[in-house]
Amino acid sequence: QSVLTQPPSASGTPGQRVTISCSGSSSNIGSNYVYWYQQLPGTAPKLLIYRNNQRPSGVPDRFSGSKSGTSASLAISGLRSEDEADYYCAAWDDSLSGFWVFGGGTKLTVL
Amino acid sequence: QVQLVQSGAEVKKPGASVKVSCKASGYTFTGYYMHWVRQAPGQGLEWMGWINPNSGGTNYAQKFQGRVTMTRDTSISTAYMELSRLRSDDTAVYYCARDLCPTLYYYDSSGKDYYMDVWGKGTTVTVSS
Repeated sequence: QSVLTQPPSASGTPGQRVTISCSGSSSNIGSNYVYWYQQLPGTAPKLLIYRNNQRPSGVPDRFSGSKSGTSASLAISGLRSEDEADYYCAAWDDSLSGFWVFGGGTKLTVL
Repeated sequence: QVQLVQSGAEVKKPGASVKVSCKASGYTFTGYYMHWVRQAPGQGLEWMGWINPNSGGTNYAQKFQGRVTMTRDTSISTAYMELSRLRSDDTAVYYCARDLCPTLYYYDSSGKDYYMDVWGKGTTVTVSS
């Protein structure tokens, strides 16, 4: 199982706001930045949010990230059909010599 | 624009090795770290390790130590990931991903402030007898 915990699924209707949670520990989310990746069906992951709440250029402001303690959230407002994808959270873990950890992914369905 | 172009799909038998390539363009290959991440069918993402394309230094995830080797050829801006003693549960899509951490920094101390920003399209490796 994954080090970071995400709900396996989420859903919403067009125009709605949905949030996806990501839970970790003091060695990863609690002490490091959180990142979010979007993976459309059959494609590679794409960076969606970096350093907790920053959007790369080209990512709509409908996507936002937040972090509190050892948990983080991705919010998507004004849900659109093209947002249907898998979403992964990621963080650096300070354990051992350090390594990247990911959540198990959340499949977002737009109803 | 930054691009990472990976080699084609592979089918291997258990016990064999596979070597996947990742050709970088659109930026200075030796300027940034490179990671390898894999994704088993229907599963999540799993970090395998990083390579410093400038020095050739590497750091592997504990799970893969002894079985994975990451190398690079700076003359053709290409990174490689070789996985040996393949098992059926190594069947996965293998991705390379550029990290924005400059290679002039030590990743162990600075890497946590950077991240993977561009990914290759992935290479499917199937392990089957």
